[in-house]
Amino acid sequence: DSGVTQTPKHLITATGQRVTLRCSPRSGDLSVYWYQQSLDQGLQFLIQYYNGEERAKGNILERFSAQQFPDLHSELNLSSLELGDSALYFCASSAPLAGGAFQETQYFGPGTRLLVL
Amino acid sequence: GNSVTQMEGPVTLSEEAFLTINCTYTATGYPSLFWYVQYPGEGLQLLLKATKADDKGSNKGFEATYRKETTSFHLEKGSVQVSDSAVYFCALSTGPWGAQKLVFGQGTRLTINP
Repeated sequence: DSGVTQTPKHLITATGQRVTLRCSPRSGDLSVYWYQQSLDQGLQFLIQYYNGEERAKGNILERFSAQQFPDLHSELNLSSLELGDSALYFCASSAPLAGGAFQETQYFGPGTRLLVL
Repeated sequence: GNSVTQMEGPVTLSEEAFLTINCTYTATGYPSLFWYVQYPGEGLQLLLKATKADDKGSNKGFEATYRKETTSFHLEKGSVQVSDSAVYFCALSTGPWGAQKLVFGQGTRLTINP
């Protein structure tokens, strides 16, 4: 158990719908990352937050958005869902270092499996 | 750009066999390198890491050495067990200070037969 929690574990929805995935980082971690794992694209970085502030953006679609709240949990919002959005979505967190930096080692949650029908 | 290439899978071995999973990378600068493992139905677990050239990461009998001259980070284990069956991902950490992310290889599925 990495200490990173994600809910829900599974999500089944229809095309055109909107869903919210939730992540709680390990206790004390300030950085949260979102990744998408799909059969055709592999594991891809989506977005990173540090203490509520967006720090890095990857191949995240405009239909997707995320935020990190004051209690440090994060939510990934996926809207206007398409069949191709079906994937496993992982959240990860990493520990802070002095001076606003953070450790490179990321600890992953169990993932949310999204199926769009 | 930065990228990671792993050997094609799937890899099937018998118990107690020697394992090598090749990983090479392309990166600017000197990234940290990682191996993660994903057991069936679970998330990614950090297996080992190395942060600079010639560092050797090791854990649970697995080892990998950061080779700058060959830009490689091959995963090895001397004697595999059935419980090692999983998907293995090589990754590097990249990005400017304060905005690092992991770039993963495509993963190698390993099956160990008793």
